[in-house]
Amino acid sequence: DADVTQTPRNRITKTGKRIMLECSQTKGHDRMYWYRQDPGLGLQLIYYSFDVKDINKGEISDGYSVSRQAQAKFSLSLESAIPNQTALYFCATSTNGGNYNEQFFGPGTRLTVL
Amino acid sequence: DQQVKQNSPSLSVQEGRISILNCDYTNSMFDYFLWYKKYPAEGPTFLISISSIKDKNEDGRFTVFLNKSAKHLSLHIVPSQPGDSAVYFCAASESGGSNYKLTFGKGTLLTVNP
Repeated sequence: DADVTQTPRNRITKTGKRIMLECSQTKGHDRMYWYRQDPGLGLQLIYYSFDVKDINKGEISDGYSVSRQAQAKFSLSLESAIPNQTALYFCATSTNGGNYNEQFFGPGTRLTVL
Repeated sequence: DQQVKQNSPSLSVQEGRISILNCDYTNSMFDYFLWYKKYPAEGPTFLISISSIKDKNEDGRFTVFLNKSAKHLSLHIVPSQPGDSAVYFCAASESGGSNYKLTFGKGTLLTVNP
């Protein structure tokens, strides 16, 4: 079984709709992250959370919100989706310990906003 | 301003030969560097890392070299295999303070031809 899972894997939605992407992990890590990948642009950090009560904005948080429901769950919401939010979204986790830089990624969610 | 740069979008090599992927960074506060590999329809997976106190780290066929004065690192794959064909991302972090997030380059698509 995958350690970091994301649902849905693919989603097509319309402009203005609210959408939530979910991430769950069984690695027991405290830190969780949301990234987006656009073609040719690498991964950009949207939000990150070091524990359930700690949530921080990343480089491109405008238009997004997050919720850390539990240590194992971190969801990303688009309150009113727009076409330029069409991208591949990745959730990642890492430990608080010595290898905190090593992040483990989920399989990604491909989101299309029409 | 792009702090981690992978100037070669793609690289093609023959099976059995050496693959060299390059990465440059501009932020002198970065002190930990990682390489991730990404196959289509999967999330990035951690490959190898190096701390700024070292100039070389080796793991099997993969070696990462760090030149701090030039703010440059490279990933060597010897010998290259067709299964190494993937997108490779360079990432960097600064460990000081509370800033433990990764900054990614745009990636280099490696194709290893049989």
